Parts: sequence; structure tokens; C-alpha cells
Amino acid sequence: DVVMTQSPLSLPVTLGQPASISCRSSQSLVYSDGNTYLNWFQQRPGQSPRRLIYKVSNRDSGVPDRFSGSGSGTDFTLKISRVEAEDVGVYYCMQGTHSITFGQGTRLEIK
Amino acid sequence: QVQLVQSGAEVKKPGSSVKVSCKASGGTFSSYAISWVRQAPGQGLEWMGGIIPIFGTANYAQKFQGRVTITADESTSTAYMELSSLRSEDTAVYYCARDSWGGYDLLLLGDFDYWGQGTLVTVSS
Repeated sequence: DVVMTQSPLSLPVTLGQPASISCRSSQSLVYSDGNTYLNWFQQRPGQSPRRLIYKVSNRDSGVPDRFSGSGSGTDFTLKISRVEAEDVGVYYCMQGTHSITFGQGTRLEIK
Repeated sequence: QVQLVQSGAEVKKPGSSVKVSCKASGGTFSSYAISWVRQAPGQGLEWMGGIIPIFGTANYAQKFQGRVTITADESTSTAYMELSSLRSEDTAVYYCARDSWGGYDLLLLGDFDYWGQGTLVTVSS
């Protein structure tokens, strides 16, 4: 199985400050069709996960533009330009190129 | 707008089976796949497997092979996940999510743009 490793696992951030989460895969995530199936999800307390970013850098409809995704190959990053209170929750990266596996999750909290 | 509505919470005895349903509305059921993801208390997300209803083909994560069966009924736009030989470690919230597939081998891609509300399955004697 492809292993997805996120860091940090805990991320205390001051309101209005930026935040960044790294996700590394044990194999390249470039699929045979040329796409890279790397998504980011947000899970607020008590809620179902919500997709934020698909195929590395495409923001889902309704997702604030302070969220952005980047990366290629095996290294990926989710950035929040200015953290707001509603961003508290756990963030997961997930790859769909080689079966489907999730990262361990990064818990974002307000400092 | 796709909506996925799951069946209610279940309490099961060790060794028994549970079957959770996921009814889709909006969109065209035959144009997408459904995957199942579970989350043990305080833990992360774990993909179990999924199905492409139009082809009737199911993919399973290796960990669950032989213990999980995923089916779909196109006439009711409903997908099902049945997990057998339940043990306490299977206590979790089970989610369905809309998925897509790629390639000639119809592999699921983890789209997960829409999720059900989750179904808590508790395994306890």
C-alpha cells in the first residue's frame, strides 16, 4: 500500500496567521492518465469529511480561496493563507492513484 | 446536488454481521461509484472498498477482503456495505462517499466529493 505521511500532526495557529500542512507519499502519485489523484479533506468536529482540494490544486466549489494546494510527484502541501476560527478541525490528504489511502490527519487548533 | 443518506446506528454482537445502506439522490446513480470509508473513535479515515453500480464491480481494500461485501441496487439508487465476523475493533462510524473510476481495470480514484452523514456501528457483547 502507498503510505501517506502528514506533518505536523498537530498545528496550533494564531487567528489570521498562515498555516501549512505537508503530505508525502511513498510512491509517485502520477496516474497512467497523467493526472495526480491527491485530494485534501477537512473534518470539523462531529461532521463528515468535506473535500477542499482535488487533483493537487483544484479548489472545490464553496471553498474559501484562502485554501490552496500544491505539489507534485510525492510531495504535496495544503496552505491556509489566514486561519479563521471555522478552520479548526482535522485535515487529511488522500491518494487515489494506487488504491486509496489517507494520511494520518493533522489537527489544526487555534493558539 | 448529490445527497447521500445512510441508515441508522447499529449495535451488534461480536461475530455477527452488519449491513449499512446509502441512498443517493440527485445526479445519475449509474454515472458514479460509491466508496465506503470508516473512522474508529478518535482515529483517522480508512477506505474499505467501493462499487461501480453500472458495472456491478466492487474493489476492496486488502485489509477487508473476505469480510466486506459491497453491493448496489440501481433501481433504488442505494449502495450497501456488509461487514461480517464483527469484532470490537470494528466499532466505528461508517461513511459512504461518491467516487469515480479510471482505466480499463475500473479502479476507484477516491473522488469523495459528496459524503453521507455517517452510521455508527458499535460492536459489543
